[in-house]
Amino acid sequence: DAGVIQSPRHEVTEMGQEVTLRCKPISGHNSLFWYRQTMMRGLELLIYFNNNVPIDDSGMPEDRFSAKMPNASFSTLKIQPSEPRDSAVYFCASGPQGSLDTEAFFGQGTRLTVV
Amino acid sequence: AQSVTQLDSHVSVSEGTPVLLRCNYSSSYSPSLFWYVQHPNKGLQLLLKYTSAATLVKGINGFEAEFKKSETSFHLTKPSAHMSDAAEYFCVVRNNDMRFGAGTRLTVKP
Repeated sequence: DAGVIQSPRHEVTEMGQEVTLRCKPISGHNSLFWYRQTMMRGLELLIYFNNNVPIDDSGMPEDRFSAKMPNASFSTLKIQPSEPRDSAVYFCASGPQGSLDTEAFFGQGTRLTVV
Repeated sequence: AQSVTQLDSHVSVSEGTPVLLRCNYSSSYSPSLFWYVQHPNKGLQLLLKYTSAATLVKGINGFEAEFKKSETSFHLTKPSAHMSDAAEYFCVVRNNDMRFGAGTRLTVKP
C-alpha cells in the first residue's frame, strides 16, 4: 500500500484565495483525521471522520474551514478565504476503525503558505 | 475529555547516554497511548503503542515506554541515545479521536 497520500505537498497562495487540500487514506481504513501543525500551537486535531461521517469538528478554527469526505477513499479540507495565519503544515491520517487501540498512519503533509 | 501533557519541551542528552521523555495523560476511560516521532521536515512515524496488553511496551529503534496507571504516566525511554534519535517526539492519547501532546524536542550531542 502506498500509505496516506496528500496533495499538493506544497501550496503557496495569496490571501483571500480558496485553498483545497486533498487526502487519500489507506484502503480499508475508515477513520480519517485532519491535523494542523504550527510552531505556536503544535499539532491540533481539526476534524475526524468515521465511515465518511464527521464525528467531531470542534477543532475547526472558524467557518472559513470546511472538510468533506464524499467516499471512503477521498477527503478534502478547504479554506475559503485563506489568510496568512492559516500558514501551517496540514496532515491527514487514517486508521482502521472498530478498535481504539489502533494507531493512525500519517501522510507526508501539505505545507501551506498564505502571502 | 482526554489530554496528554509532555513535561519537557526540550531534552538534550549526549550520545550514548539514556533518554527519558516524560508524558502524563488524562482520560475518562482506559486510554490507548502512543508515541510518535517526527524528524525535521518529515511526517509522523509510530514508535510504539500501549493497548492494555502489557504495561511495558517495546517499540522501534530501541525505545520503550511504561504505562503506570497510578501515576497516569507513559514515559518514553531509551538506554543509549544515538545521533539519529534527534527529532520531535509526541505522546498521544486515543479514545475515538487522537490528541497530541505539545511535543518534546530531543537533541543529541556528540
